[in-house]
Amino acid sequence: GENVEQHPSTLSVQEGDSAVIKCTYSDSASNYFPWYKQELGKRPQLIIDIRSNVGEKKDQRIAVTLNKTAKHFSLHITETQPEDSAVYFCAASINSNSGYALNFGKGTSLLVTP
Amino acid sequence: GAVVSQHPSRVICKSGTSVKIECRSLDFQATTMFWYRQFPKQSLMLMATSNEGSKATYEQGVEKDKFLINHASLTLSTLTVTSAHPEDSSFYICSARVTGLGNSPLHFGNGTRLTVT
Repeated sequence: GENVEQHPSTLSVQEGDSAVIKCTYSDSASNYFPWYKQELGKRPQLIIDIRSNVGEKKDQRIAVTLNKTAKHFSLHITETQPEDSAVYFCAASINSNSGYALNFGKGTSLLVTP
Repeated sequence: GAVVSQHPSRVICKSGTSVKIECRSLDFQATTMFWYRQFPKQSLMLMATSNEGSKATYEQGVEKDKFLINHASLTLSTLTVTSAHPEDSSFYICSARVTGLGNSPLHFGNGTRLTVT
């Protein structure tokens, strides 16, 4: 099955700096890569996603890049703010018999200090 | 749009009892729903894929007789943790996507915090 690796597990940056989280995946058939933000005790919230026919996507301070050849994708957050502090999960689709489940990375705990 | 409602949000039960968790898609139909489990400070692990009108598909290592899934309609899936034990204490989250949209975002319920004493 699909194996998603995520690094780093923790990341601390100062407010205003950029944060980068990287993920790799194993199944070359995966074609959908979302990123979720999860605050403590709450549901994961989709922040951005990218499909395999696109190399980069940007939404205000958040961007995602995808390298299909190398099978890795990254999340970039610019001008970080304290409210960006949360756990971020990358994921890749699994083309299962019953639909497209998501396989998640282990998460990155991001702390933005004022 | 695309709201997933999960109930209850928190449940405490005694060891040996069963607990049912409901997952509803409120404003869309979902022929497939996904059940995840998340232990503290860990990732979301896929437990099973729930299919409307047919049997669920379980991931390796997940006991189908312990985690009963029923997907009786296009908007409701239930997960029953049978004969719960303390090691089943976890955060259970369901998710769904709009039927027919293929590989598109999953929408998550608020999760159920299960504590087995």
